[in-house]
Amino acid sequence: GAVVSQHPSRVICKSGTSVKIECRSLDFQATTMFWYRQFPKQSLMLMATSNEGSKATYEQGVEKDKFLINHASLTLSTLTVTSAHPEDSSFYICSARASNPGVATEAFFGQGTRLTVV
Amino acid sequence: AQSVAQPEDQVNVAEGNPLTVKCTYSVSGNPYLFWYVQYPNRGLQFLLKYITGDNLVKGSYGFEAEFNKSQTSFHLKKPSALVSDSALYFCAVSRTGTASKLTFGTGTRLQVTL
Repeated sequence: GAVVSQHPSRVICKSGTSVKIECRSLDFQATTMFWYRQFPKQSLMLMATSNEGSKATYEQGVEKDKFLINHASLTLSTLTVTSAHPEDSSFYICSARASNPGVATEAFFGQGTRLTVV
Repeated sequence: AQSVAQPEDQVNVAEGNPLTVKCTYSVSGNPYLFWYVQYPNRGLQFLLKYITGDNLVKGSYGFEAEFNKSQTSFHLKKPSALVSDSALYFCAVSRTGTASKLTFGTGTRLQVTL
């Protein structure tokens, strides 16, 4: 199957600093990527849909100035958590669905990033 | 709006016994349905999908799922459970189109014991 690489897998940062998480589709093009947040023992909460070459679409209740998303190319999307606070500590997961005709329709997920803000 | 319900927080089964993890969905139009598995501190791994065609879908690791349109269900099944199947399982639905977002159920923890 297609591969989505997410980096870093784990990061610890100080309160008030910013953290950037990268999500790359390694062997397919992804016009659209998705960013999720997962709280302990809970489901995935969609934060935003990242569209290549245009602004991200944020879900209700997600602060766009807090969670900056950039989709610079068909294989890379980044999520920057700005001025991070302890309540931003969570597991962040990206996913991508192929935009190429004929490629599988399922979403492929990155390995996730465990963010801890101290 | 689209939604997924996984009514069981946890399913316990003995190794060697059949397992079923339940999922019902709601979506306008024809659904794309998926099952994913998550191991601790990892992303989601794709198991299987229903797009169209045969209602019984076979996937990875011996798992299968049956699409039932009248009951709007897509239950995950395996004839003989393994201890290594113990993980968190998510059902997901989207409308047609690869840019459509996935909506996930709340997840079901499968615990397989010896």
